[in-house]
Amino acid sequence: DQQVKQNSPSLSVQEGRISILNCDYTNSMFDYFLWYKKYPAEGPTFLISISSIKDKNEDGRFTVFLNKSAKHLSLHIVPSQPGDSAVYFCAASSNAGGTSYGKLTFGQGTILTVHP
Amino acid sequence: NAGVTQTPKFRILKIGQSMTLQCTQDMNHNYMYWYRQDPGMGLKLIYYSVGAGITDKGEVPNGYNVSRSTTEDFPLRLELAAPSQTSVYFCASSTAGLAVTYEQYFGPGTRLTVT
Repeated sequence: DQQVKQNSPSLSVQEGRISILNCDYTNSMFDYFLWYKKYPAEGPTFLISISSIKDKNEDGRFTVFLNKSAKHLSLHIVPSQPGDSAVYFCAASSNAGGTSYGKLTFGQGTILTVHP
Repeated sequence: NAGVTQTPKFRILKIGQSMTLQCTQDMNHNYMYWYRQDPGMGLKLIYYSVGAGITDKGEVPNGYNVSRSTTEDFPLRLELAAPSQTSVYFCASSTAGLAVTYEQYFGPGTRLTVT
């Protein structure tokens, strides 16, 4: 049972254009969402997050949008740069009851390639 | 400040052998986690710990054991290696928060092959 899904295995974008990565979730108890970026042979690194009380969070070139009714979130990268080429993971957690201990459920990842 | 370090980087095991994957963090984080990542899949939680002496199972704990004797170290033990345990293993840590999620900091991973 895949509770967090990234249905696009890969995305190819031209430098300077917008990259949009999508993520869907099924567990309505999830209330905090994170995006991680991973380069080959390295561990994932935190990129940006959003709480379910918000519908948008922005950090420089990165913006995450949350649509709770659709159980959907997206990561926008504008403008895209060749150094953004990596695997992007969506992750979710539930803080309900105060016993989540920060445990994350990850999607399968989307490989982003930004062409010069 | 090295963050989260993992050893070894690579290892090949024969079926039935045992090994311990080491993980150390120097950020004084209470929470630590072990994940595995199979090809084309996301990370799956194996075990986690909320402090020294306290551990619990994650989504895929079978075939693994952990211990947490200090805040810094969280080793993962494979007792009888099986080909299904061929994967990349990541250790992570984060600040404690009962009702708040904080971002996790990941180590570089250990690539394990069982043949």
